[in-house]
Amino acid sequence: AQSVSQHNHHVILSEAASLELGCNYSYGGTVNLFWYVQYPGQHLQLLLKYFSGDPLVKGIKGFEAEFIKSKFSFNLRKPSVQWSDTAEYFCAVNVAGGGNKLTFGTGTQLKVEL
Amino acid sequence: GAVVSQHPSRVICKSGTSVKIECRSLDFQATTMFWYRQFPKQSLMLMATSNEGSKATYEQGVEKDKFLINHASLTLSTLTVTSAHPEDSSFYICSARDPSGGDEQFFGPGTRLTVL
Repeated sequence: AQSVSQHNHHVILSEAASLELGCNYSYGGTVNLFWYVQYPGQHLQLLLKYFSGDPLVKGIKGFEAEFIKSKFSFNLRKPSVQWSDTAEYFCAVNVAGGGNKLTFGTGTQLKVEL
Repeated sequence: GAVVSQHPSRVICKSGTSVKIECRSLDFQATTMFWYRQFPKQSLMLMATSNEGSKATYEQGVEKDKFLINHASLTLSTLTVTSAHPEDSSFYICSARDPSGGDEQFFGPGTRLTVL
């Protein structure tokens, strides 16, 4: 079975700082990769996803993630965070052709201070 | 994007009673819906996959007689927690897959269940 690790549980940044959140997965086959965001009091929303093609994917709100197959990683980045980026971020994977079942990481709580 | 609603948002019940949670896709038809459970400071754990018109598929370790899932229409799936106990207290989240949207799942806002 696949698993997902997010090593940073809590991150605190000042506005305009750069962000990188780590995500590693364990599965030997083909996976689809996702980053979801949950703003305070709101439901999970998709930030970006990778299925195939260019390993550098761009999502909404200036976020991007890079799939590095050799490292089983899919780290999330943003060059300059804003206070409104304060939220919880979840990395998730599903096995290609596996019925769309998502396996989530434990999440990273990001706090951006003014 | 597509919208998924859940009702109720919060429920408090006594031990031994049953609680029903509804998940609706508001502007699309979802042949597949998913139910997750989230413990405090932990990840979302998939409980079951709900397919319209057929029996749900439960993940290993999830009691199907405890967590009854019904997906009677293309816009509604229900999760019933039967004979609830305090250890069932959790945050339950559903998602729905929009067939026209590829593999993307749209999530509901969640239901906080507290069993006294």
